[in-house]
Amino acid sequence: EAGVTQFPSHSVIEKGQTVTLRCDPISGHDNLYWYRRVMGKEIKFLLHFVKESKQDESGMPNNRFLAERTGGTYSTLKVQPAELEDSGVYFCASSFAGTRGWGEQYFGPGTRLTVT
Amino acid sequence: DAKTTQPNSMESNEEEPVHLPCNHSTISGTDYIHWYRQLPSQGPEYVIHGLTSNVNNRMASLAIAEDRKSSTLILHRATLRDAAVYYCILKEYGGSQGNLIFGKGTKLSVKP
Repeated sequence: EAGVTQFPSHSVIEKGQTVTLRCDPISGHDNLYWYRRVMGKEIKFLLHFVKESKQDESGMPNNRFLAERTGGTYSTLKVQPAELEDSGVYFCASSFAGTRGWGEQYFGPGTRLTVT
Repeated sequence: DAKTTQPNSMESNEEEPVHLPCNHSTISGTDYIHWYRQLPSQGPEYVIHGLTSNVNNRMASLAIAEDRKSSTLILHRATLRDAAVYYCILKEYGGSQGNLIFGKGTKLSVKP
């Protein structure tokens, strides 16, 4: 079974440009999460989808970040316009919510975003 | 979710057991204890979780103190591939928030 995949693996853009990150969760996982780690900091939660609905977006840093999950399958995270402080590694995770709460999360390899 | 405390780093020799401690003195009755690890240049990876009883799986064992204020992740025979940052995370069962809250974790080094 394929794991969580993320595209691209690395993106280098200039300040002010737009970047779109994509995440494909494990098939059948209704829960999809976005996290990020900026330089020297801990991994921080951004938002959580249940199917196509935003369950929790309390971690989104500002309105330059827009996440979508059309049809409850893959998700995109758009940063527009990108700022220097957005540089970091963006992780996507998915989980199956069964009878044990939100379920164990399976993470993708991350997208390394560099804003110059 | 309640906070956890872990040592910043630990060292182990290959093929020896490793005991990674975690303190969570403010744990609530509905908090599960989860462990994730992050290998270099990879995303975090689920290791194990438990509530009250000790747990075993193919990757590790989790020993939970009787008062649940601390727990220990046990790697029975460390390999070089186990070198990673290990995160102890409390997660409320069925809570309104599904996300994980990562701390600094324990960086485990394994010497050949």
